[in-house]
Amino acid sequence: GESVGLHLPTLSVQEGDNSIINCAYSNSASDYFIWYKQESGKGPQFIIDIRSNMDKRQGQRVTVLLNKTVKHLSLQIAATQPGDSAVYFCAENNGGTYKYIFGTGTRLKVLA
Amino acid sequence: EADIYQTPRYLVIGTGKKITLECSQTMGHDKMYWYQQDPGMELHLIHYSYGVNSTEKGDLSSESTVSRIRTEHFPLTLESARPSHTSQYLCASSDPLAGVYEQYFGPGTRLTVT
Repeated sequence: GESVGLHLPTLSVQEGDNSIINCAYSNSASDYFIWYKQESGKGPQFIIDIRSNMDKRQGQRVTVLLNKTVKHLSLQIAATQPGDSAVYFCAENNGGTYKYIFGTGTRLKVLA
Repeated sequence: EADIYQTPRYLVIGTGKKITLECSQTMGHDKMYWYQQDPGMELHLIHYSYGVNSTEKGDLSSESTVSRIRTEHFPLTLESARPSHTSQYLCASSDPLAGVYEQYFGPGTRLTVT
């Protein structure tokens, strides 16, 4: 049968709309967070990062919001394009140690 | 674009063979990592290195071994491949001492053991 992992949460958005992908992180001591984009058959690609002393950080078409009170991270993609279709996942780290904790990922599908 | 490379990109081999997956980075990063990732699943850390001559096992039990003789090179070896080793293997590097907390990933090696 199919692996449970193939049933990733999926977000479908119309081309041109904004996308919001959410992530709950696990360690309240984590002080660094990254969002990655992974296309099929490729390695994860860095999108944007944020440190725990910030609530918001903006990049080109992307914004990351950090809510430390509820241990929640979100990635907002403005004017979503077909090339944004991929799996997105967050990662957390504490103090630059070896241990990065990765989320399970959300599949973003952009509808034409 | 990250300067981290993996070879081969795809490999199909028979059970019992010994294989080495190559990973090189040209960024001078001290920390390097190997992850295993099944399709649609999370990344699982199998080995990491803090620098030359430093290697440690990660969170996921693995029958592989690694070496770190040069800063830029972090090969992973499977002495006797089995079908359960079929997966994608991702290499990454970072340099937190230089303020580079971000992990840069290579393109991955897709391994199939028949």
